[in-house]
Amino acid sequence: GIQVEQSPPDLILQEGANSTLRCNFSDSVNNLQWFHQNPWGQLINLFYIPSGTKQNGRLSATTVATERYSLLYISSSQTTDSGVYFCAVANTGGFKTIFGAGTRLFVKA
Amino acid sequence: DAGITQSPRHKVTETGTPVTLRCHQTENHRYMYWYRQDPGHGLRLIHYSYGVKDTDKGEVSDGYSVSRSKTEDFLLTLESATSSQTSVYFCAISESYRGLNEQFFGPGTRLTVL
Repeated sequence: GIQVEQSPPDLILQEGANSTLRCNFSDSVNNLQWFHQNPWGQLINLFYIPSGTKQNGRLSATTVATERYSLLYISSSQTTDSGVYFCAVANTGGFKTIFGAGTRLFVKA
Repeated sequence: DAGITQSPRHKVTETGTPVTLRCHQTENHRYMYWYRQDPGHGLRLIHYSYGVKDTDKGEVSDGYSVSRSKTEDFLLTLESATSSQTSVYFCAISESYRGLNEQFFGPGTRLTVL
């Protein structure tokens, strides 16, 4: 099955700093999502991005499907950005979704 | 927020007892999923449903069964709970269009098996 690797596993930032999170996957996919799990455990959809680039406020994401990776950019980080960021992928049909192990982000005030 | 509720939100049970978790949606989405989340892992798919009475196994289906008798409800059953099934369980829903499939998650159920 598809393998998903996220890096870095842990990240500590000072408030206001920028960061890039990476998601590598081992096979072609036609579904890719980024999620933020907040400290209360809620999973929040950030981007549905099987290919291309999207932006939403301070966050943006790029997926290069042919090279099997996706990047999540966080600019001007805030303490509320703390939590775990997951990448999840699936191939045809999108049903058997595989999650990466996540990147745990802590933003210091 | 997508209209997804899970019940119960917390449950403590003993080894060997049956447990049923419920996922309810108000979005009329065709596809529903059950995942478990354990420390050090992302979410792992247990079972999913692609329609009423249509289900299939995921990555970690051993020890779990599911049922879907109505579009809005997807039940996850642990026939005889074990300590290894202590976890946080998430339900998700989606509607597929042209092979593209964005999933939305419920709030989760924390299950402890003693």
